[in-house]
Amino acid sequence: EPEVTQTPSHQVTQMGQEVILRCVPISNHLYFYWYRQILGQKVEFLVSFYNNEISEKSEIFDDQFSVERPDGSNFTLKIRSTKLEDSAMYFCASTPRGGGANVLTFGAGSRLTVL
Amino acid sequence: DQQVKQNSPSLSVQEGRISILNCDYTNSMFDYFLWYKKYPAEGPTFLISISSIKDKNEDGRFTVFLNKSAKHLSLHIVPSQPGDSAVYFCAASGWVQGAQKLVFGQGTRLTINP
Repeated sequence: EPEVTQTPSHQVTQMGQEVILRCVPISNHLYFYWYRQILGQKVEFLVSFYNNEISEKSEIFDDQFSVERPDGSNFTLKIRSTKLEDSAMYFCASTPRGGGANVLTFGAGSRLTVL
Repeated sequence: DQQVKQNSPSLSVQEGRISILNCDYTNSMFDYFLWYKKYPAEGPTFLISISSIKDKNEDGRFTVFLNKSAKHLSLHIVPSQPGDSAVYFCAASGWVQGAQKLVFGQGTRLTINP
């Protein structure tokens, strides 16, 4: 069964450092997403991406965050200068089409710990 | 602004009994509802969904009920099995403020006791 893969599974970084989280969405999917879950809290939307541009972003997704699809397969989330409160599980997801009735397929997540 | 709420952070059920997980939403623009299941160290996986034009959808041991007037949905698992122990997230989808949104609840940790 096709799956979304994410690397690294766990990254520990110092506050202020740049972090890049990588995702390989399902190959025929066109819409890509990043969500995060702070420990014990709900899964929160960060950003959606379609046709090589951001289609929507939440207020969490400030100037410290960026996404790109550098090579047609990887979908990356960059945090320029990490803060303690960026510690969370970051989930990548993809769907073949847009629209609310489409089910997101999530990756296993990347745990980011900012010290 | 919690548009999707799961008021029970945890639920414990005896194996073989029915598990009922509840979810409330506030925005009447939501028109599609999903339940995701999450095991530790894994991403959420889709379990079952329901469109707002229905009030019930059944898939094997899993049934989702939607009460639009009460803005409430529930997931029934019967009979509950130990492998059902996981965190269950309710999610609601719809056009909100000009954009298609998928909003998750906080999750309910279900524990099935043998």
